[in-house]
Amino acid sequence: GAVVSQHPSRVICKSGTSVKIECRSLDFQATTMFWYRQFPKQSLMLMATSNEGSKATYEQGVEKDKFLINHASLTLSTLTVTSAHPEDSSFYICSARRGPTVPLYNEQFFGPGTRLTVL
Amino acid sequence: ILNVEQSPQSLHVQEGDSTNFTCSFPSSNFYALHWYRWETAKSPEALFVMTLNGDEKKKGRISATLNTKEGYSYLYIKGSQPEDSATYLCAPYYGGSQGNLIFGKGTKLSVKP
Repeated sequence: GAVVSQHPSRVICKSGTSVKIECRSLDFQATTMFWYRQFPKQSLMLMATSNEGSKATYEQGVEKDKFLINHASLTLSTLTVTSAHPEDSSFYICSARRGPTVPLYNEQFFGPGTRLTVL
Repeated sequence: ILNVEQSPQSLHVQEGDSTNFTCSFPSSNFYALHWYRWETAKSPEALFVMTLNGDEKKKGRISATLNTKEGYSYLYIKGSQPEDSATYLCAPYYGGSQGNLIFGKGTKLSVKP
């Protein structure tokens, strides 16, 4: 159990377009999902925490109007990169946490990630 | 900003070699440490969650130790196999106001047959 899928795995888009990435927990309910970004040779950096039925919480320096997060159900969170620019090119990966009670050690299950390239 | 260091950055070994690598993290307010194994094009897979000072956990040929007082953890792989090739990530968790996993950059292990 605890499988998380992410779609698409790779996307190439033109500058100025918007891209939506989906994160699904396939066999458990996830009250909370997380979105991370990883630049080359860097660590996974948390962008935002997505809570089902409420607004996402963004980390400092992450533009909420640029990275729209929707967590409309207990198994699906989406990240939309709006008006994408080349500097948004990165690897985006989501994780999901079993809910609603916060796991003791904040155990998270990850999707396989999405490689976004903005031309 | 909490700094998590993993060393070495990459490691190349021959099949059958044993290897180990390090995760260093701030020890203040430490709550738990997660180790993940991340193969290319797959999801990071949870290996261990460690909490107690002196704790040692084992999963097959992989084991890990934890020193919470000095803020480090070692991951050992005995008799490396090509299928062990992956990036190994560590992520301490501090609970409370730092309620997120803080990831290191990982150690990329390549095992040659």
